[in-house]
Amino acid sequence: KAGVTQTPRYLIKTRGQQVTLSCSPISGHRSVSWYQQTPGQGLQFLFEYFSETQRNKGNFPGRFSGRQFSNSRSEMNVSTLELGDSALYLCASSFRDHGYNEQFFGPGTRLTVL
Amino acid sequence: GQQVMQIPQYQHVQEGEDFTTYCNSSTTLSNIQWYKQRPGGHPVFLIQLVKSGEVKKQKRLTFQFGEAKKNSSLHITATQTTDVGTYFCAGRSDFNKFYFGSGTKLNVKP
Repeated sequence: KAGVTQTPRYLIKTRGQQVTLSCSPISGHRSVSWYQQTPGQGLQFLFEYFSETQRNKGNFPGRFSGRQFSNSRSEMNVSTLELGDSALYLCASSFRDHGYNEQFFGPGTRLTVL
Repeated sequence: GQQVMQIPQYQHVQEGEDFTTYCNSSTTLSNIQWYKQRPGGHPVFLIQLVKSGEVKKQKRLTFQFGEAKKNSSLHITATQTTDVGTYFCAGRSDFNKFYFGSGTKLNVKP
């Protein structure tokens, strides 16, 4: 079974730009969660989508948004990028709502904002 | 608000020594999960505990869930260099929120 895939793997943007990250979950998984990982803040939960509906949201500004498609693939968008948005963005999929069973993480997208 | 605290933040051990990381929540958790992230890698699921007082073992790793379901621990016996990485706990609260701990970074000196 193929694992969670994320594209692109690396991205360099400048302040003020916007970015879209993509995540393809494991086949059959309907829950996709997004996390931001930085050395100082650890793993911060962004949001979770289940069957195209946002089920949970972390404490991030409205510049961070996401969506999930009918095939469970998910995208995350960050508008008006700031230097502090530089981070590893991880997506994780699970069969049930996240937190009920194991999450499978993708390799992440490393975003650098200059 | 709800937080899952993890200690210590860093641990340096000599190969062969034991290692323990602790996870504490301010409120009751319905479950606790443990993940390991190798340097440069992504978190990988290790185990899930659900029952009060539950203890599970995976070879040299022992996981415990507290009686009050507010704390958990991961103990590694006789560490090896392959144990290097950051260990995260993550728990689901009764309010349907899921939180990751801050992680414990383990370094093992050969």
